[in-house]
Amino acid sequence: EIVLTQSPGTLSLSPGERGTLSCRASQSLSSTFLAWYQQKPGQAPRLLIYAASRRATGIPDRFSGSGSGTDFTLTISRVEPEDFAVYYCQQYGSSLPITFGQGTRLEIK
Amino acid sequence: QVQLVESGGGVVQPGRSLRLSCAASGFNFTIYGMYWVRQAPGKGLEWLAGILFDGTYKYYRDSMKGRFTISRDNSKNTLYLQINSLGVEDTAVYYCAKRLDSDYAMDAWGQGTTVTVSS
Repeated sequence: EIVLTQSPGTLSLSPGERGTLSCRASQSLSSTFLAWYQQKPGQAPRLLIYAASRRATGIPDRFSGSGSGTDFTLTISRVEPEDFAVYYCQQYGSSLPITFGQGTRLEIK
Repeated sequence: QVQLVESGGGVVQPGRSLRLSCAASGFNFTIYGMYWVRQAPGKGLEWLAGILFDGTYKYYRDSMKGRFTISRDNSKNTLYLQINSLGVEDTAVYYCAKRLDSDYAMDAWGQGTTVTVSS
């Protein structure tokens, strides 16, 4: 099973700041089957990024994804008030099972 | 717009069974793969199972094999998850999710249905 480790566990930022969230895989992902999701309290997750760097439909361009192999990054260029949430990375193609990271909580500083 | 509505959750005693449903609308359900994912209280996301668009291939988290069965009825635009021998560790919100057409990511999610296993 591929284990995804996200860091930091909690990221404290002020609106307008840049946010960088990391996701490290326990083995190389042979294809860019890496996604990022946002989840707000009491809501279902929402797809932000797929294939490591492709924005899902309707996702603002302040969200961007990058990386390959074992190291992936979600960047929020300028954090907006509505961005405070938990973010999960997920791998879904290199091998089963599909796995999620443990999440990074983005909180208001 | 894409809508997924889960149902079938509730409070159930340990050892019992439950069938969850996910009613899909707003897209052509018959051509998309689907998933089930759960989230225990205060915890992260856990993928459970997936099914091909036509139901011919199903895949599961190893630890769920035998107790969980994913299925679909394309004539009813509905996805199912049968869970047998429920234990307290199965207490969670259960989400169905739609597979993205060009990828394996989950591009639409239901609001979830809560399963509480308690005596």
